[in-house]
Amino acid sequence: GQNIDQPTEMTATEGAIVQINCTYQTSGFNGLFWYQQHAGEAPTFLSYNVLDGLEEKGRFSSFLSRSKGYSYLLLKELQMKDSASYLCAVLDSNYQLIWGAGTKLIIKP
Amino acid sequence: GAVVSQHPSWVICKSGTSVKIECRSLDFQATTMFWYRQFPKQSLMLMATSNEGSKATYEQGVEKDKFLINHASLTLSTLTVTSAHPEDSSFYICSARGEGGLAGGPSDTQYFGPGTRLTVL
Repeated sequence: GQNIDQPTEMTATEGAIVQINCTYQTSGFNGLFWYQQHAGEAPTFLSYNVLDGLEEKGRFSSFLSRSKGYSYLLLKELQMKDSASYLCAVLDSNYQLIWGAGTKLIIKP
Repeated sequence: GAVVSQHPSWVICKSGTSVKIECRSLDFQATTMFWYRQFPKQSLMLMATSNEGSKATYEQGVEKDKFLINHASLTLSTLTVTSAHPEDSSFYICSARGEGGLAGGPSDTQYFGPGTRLTVL
């Protein structure tokens, strides 16, 4: 079956750095997405990786290793507004998006 | 770019009535639209995938006669919850995908509408 694993919840301190991991086992791979979802709101697109390596976009970076079925989202200089759920999603061989359950990130002052 | 709107943003209705939710891609043509449901503190659940001009593909366990989907144009899809019951109360979210990066981002990126919160009394 297809499976995406990410931690249920993480806590970090304002100004710090946090890494949210995602491992996947899917039938084929056509890219991995990270979305941010604030409570009561719809998800918003953060990043897309299809090749191995690190993609940096401001305070957020996303890394992919296809051989390991592994990705992480790195958030630097954490701000209170970064408190949200972070969803990992993989595009499989049929171009279907398989969603992880999300990681709830709690930022403390 | 890549703006998706949804209307209404919230609705309260009586049990047994039908509710229509609209999803529009405002600045790109969406060849494919998706409908999700999300219960409090739970993950997104894909309900159906719709391509313009063809019948929607429903996920297992989703009643196609209860959740009617119409994707009449490249910028509009509608979800109608027929004979709504309290257990249908949820957050309904649509997303749109423009093929070949039409939405401006990486190809196959889904852009989400703001969601519709449905409460059935």
